[in-house]
Amino acid sequence: KAGVTQTPRYLIKTRGQQVTLSCSPISGHRSVSWYQQTPGQGLQFLFEYFSETQRNKGNFPGRFSGRQFSNSRSEMNVSTLELGDSALYLCASSLSTGAANTEAFFGQGTRLTVV
Amino acid sequence: GNSVTQMEGPVTLSEEAFLTINCTYTATGYPSLFWYVQYPGEGLQLLLKATKADDKGSNKGFEATYRKETTSFHLEKGSVQVSDSAVYFCALRANQAGTALIFGKGTTLSVSS
Repeated sequence: KAGVTQTPRYLIKTRGQQVTLSCSPISGHRSVSWYQQTPGQGLQFLFEYFSETQRNKGNFPGRFSGRQFSNSRSEMNVSTLELGDSALYLCASSLSTGAANTEAFFGQGTRLTVV
Repeated sequence: GNSVTQMEGPVTLSEEAFLTINCTYTATGYPSLFWYVQYPGEGLQLLLKATKADDKGSNKGFEATYRKETTSFHLEKGSVQVSDSAVYFCALRANQAGTALIFGKGTTLSVSS
């Protein structure tokens, strides 16, 4: 069974540009969550999608957005990039019964560098 | 709000030493608790979990017990190996549909032979 696939693995962008990251969840998983990982702030929750609807959102500015398609694949977009957006962006998928004990399976991440 | 506090690292041990990484949490109700591990250049892998008080999660020689009275979920391993060198994250998820995982800052473990 294939795991969570994130593309691309690495990205270098210039300040002010926008970027789109992609995540393909494990087959059958309907929930996709996105996290930002930085050395200073650690792992921070961005948002979660379930059945194409955003079900939960973290405390990030509106420049960060996402969506989920009918096949459960998800994309996140960051507009007007800032140097501080440089981070490892991790996607996690789960079956999402909504229960607290639901396991989340993570992809390898997309390393975004803003210059 | 809910939060997780982990011991600061790095933790440096010799092979076959005993490992403890402390984790305490703040949450209302009965969250589920998790330990994730991140190897260099990789995403997070679930190491173990516990979903109710006094549950013990275990995997690959690692163990952690859900202690409601002390709001703790300390990670232990009796004999570490060089291959255990990684960053370990304690996390919780509140018992509410659609809630996010909340992570601790992570603890870097370095094991030398």
